[in-house]
Amino acid sequence: DAGVTQSPTHLIKTRGQQVTLRCSPKSGHDTVSWYQQALGQGPQFIFQYYEEEERQRGNFPDRFSGHQFPNYSSELNVNALLLGDSALYLCASSLISGGVTGELFFGEGSRLTVL
Amino acid sequence: AQSVTQLDSQVPVFEEAPVELRCNYSSSVSVYLFWYVQYPNQGLQLLLKYLSGSTLVESINGFEAEFNKSQTSFHLRKPSVHISDTAEYFCAVSASGTYKYIFGTGTRLKVLA
Repeated sequence: DAGVTQSPTHLIKTRGQQVTLRCSPKSGHDTVSWYQQALGQGPQFIFQYYEEEERQRGNFPDRFSGHQFPNYSSELNVNALLLGDSALYLCASSLISGGVTGELFFGEGSRLTVL
Repeated sequence: AQSVTQLDSQVPVFEEAPVELRCNYSSSVSVYLFWYVQYPNQGLQLLLKYLSGSTLVESINGFEAEFNKSQTSFHLRKPSVHISDTAEYFCAVSASGTYKYIFGTGTRLKVLA
């Protein structure tokens, strides 16, 4: 059973560019959350997608957007990249049960470097 | 709003010694609590969780944590650590009625031979 898979694993962009990160959830999971982990910090919640809609959003600007597809996979898009967007972007999948987000299963992340 | 504080950024400890990694949280509503471990160049893996019931929870590899509501703490302990326990440990809280996890800044556990 494949776990959460993310692509690409590493990428380098320059300021002002746009980036798309992709995530396939663990088999059977219907919910995808995205987190940003800056160097030396804990993960910060960006947003969560469920039933192809953004269910909750953290304190991130509108430059950060996402999408969930009918097969539950997800994309994270970041526009007008800033140096401060350099981080490890983690995707986590889970199964909603009783209205509660279940245990999060994380992928290995996509490391974005903005020059 | 919820917050998590991990009081120690780094904890060095000799192999076979006991260790405690501290975590305190704040929340005005009931919470679920988690400990995740992150090995170098890997994603986060769930170590243990408190959802309800017994306040003492255990993992399969010898770690345990105790939920203390009066002290708003969820400290992680292991009676005897191994070199392979060297990793970064994150405490997280998820409040009832929300979908996001709030993570602490992490504690880097370094086990010395």
